[in-house]
Amino acid sequence: KNQVEQSPQSLIILEGKNCTLQCNYTVSPFSNLRWYKQDTGRGPVSLTIMTFSENTKSNGRYTATLDADTKQSSLHITASQLSDSASYICVVNLSGTYKYIFGTGTRLKVLA
Amino acid sequence: DTAVSQTPKYLVTQMGNDKSIKCEQNLGHDTMYWYKQDSKKFLKIMFSYNNKELIINETVPNRFSPKSPDKAHLNLHINSLELGDSAVYFCASSLGLGVNNEQFFGPGTRLTVL
Repeated sequence: KNQVEQSPQSLIILEGKNCTLQCNYTVSPFSNLRWYKQDTGRGPVSLTIMTFSENTKSNGRYTATLDADTKQSSLHITASQLSDSASYICVVNLSGTYKYIFGTGTRLKVLA
Repeated sequence: DTAVSQTPKYLVTQMGNDKSIKCEQNLGHDTMYWYKQDSKKFLKIMFSYNNKELIINETVPNRFSPKSPDKAHLNLHINSLELGDSAVYFCASSLGLGVNNEQFFGPGTRLTVL
């Protein structure tokens, strides 16, 4: 069954600290993996899109990594800010289809 | 300028009623989507349209009928609303169907069925 699982479910960190969010998937074959940030009460916003051949992609303080062999991805946030408080969602595209499988997200709270 | 807009932002209605949610994008994109986000924040695609043509229909009950009058609009009509329809509905658009295209989401419509 094609699934995307994220961990931890929620995370609290202090402002200025780094953190890493995990995404494990069983989607196969897959063509790309995306990370979205969703602020409370708003729609998701794309952070990174990686194809199966890419290992890492950065967007400012956000760096996503992908290991297609172990079917794992991580999102690393550097020097966290209060505005990083949001849900982070991992999404995998099933290759050869227009189907996107969403993870349940990690809810991050950054405290001052 | 708003890229993907939805109306209304909130919708509260009684079970059995029929309601519509409107979506418009001013990005010049060819592809539009409807997603449902349940109370556990799990997002699931419902429909995808490309150039006004239905591409994806993810086993959504036929009480849900999307309508695309033109490439910039994808409206969602729901008949005979049920309690389980309560959720946040997101519209999104992308340049095209290419799976590496970024999707831009609207602000969402929170539907509450009483």
